[in-house]
Amino acid sequence: GAGVSQSPRYKVAKRGQDVALRCDPISGHVSLFWYQQALGQGPEFLTYFQNEAQLDKSGLPSDRFFAERPEGSVSTLKIQRTQQEDSAVYLCASSLTGGASGANVLTFGAGSRLTVL
Amino acid sequence: SQKIEQNSEALNIQEGKTATLTCNYTNYSPAYLQWYRQDPGRGPVFLLLIRENEKEKRKERLKVTFDTTLKQSLFHITASQPADSATYLCALVRGSQGNLIFGKGTKLSVKP
Repeated sequence: GAGVSQSPRYKVAKRGQDVALRCDPISGHVSLFWYQQALGQGPEFLTYFQNEAQLDKSGLPSDRFFAERPEGSVSTLKIQRTQQEDSAVYLCASSLTGGASGANVLTFGAGSRLTVL
Repeated sequence: SQKIEQNSEALNIQEGKTATLTCNYTNYSPAYLQWYRQDPGRGPVFLLLIRENEKEKRKERLKVTFDTTLKQSLFHITASQPADSATYLCALVRGSQGNLIFGKGTKLSVKP
């Protein structure tokens, strides 16, 4: 597609529910990133894929967070047993190139706003 | 640990003036630095990239400098307009895998 698409745009979950957030990157983009953005803060890195390989998941806050990109295109971020502190905007971004040798210019989606009650 | 700081949370200026935003980093030797713009309810949008061997980069009314000795980048918007009001984020690559980490951002308000 023309841009990075994220769904749902808004999700309200009760504490303890599981949620799944979807990201459709730009076709052909090698790299895919997930970020968490709290109100008034910058995006905090969660995890990074190059094609289907998850190269860095050091930013995932706990083992309740899980991300996958099984065919190297669409990615899903799953949060199990949601807590109130998980409330944030979850941003997905993709990049044509991969690795530190290239300049990873990211194209972001509009984000999925998660509210945990 | 590696850290990026954008010194001002908010910057208010008058239309027509030059806005200058600061990004400082510690414990990094980044090969390049990027600046993004974020409007409310939207994802960040890429503006400029500057490499470590470039002192300055320009794009229309935007200018970015990169001082690897001071570990600092300055982002300038000349002849600012109310439409420039947004949050501006700097970003650096971390590690060998190429993932970008972001500063907290500076919210710029340009008043008519």
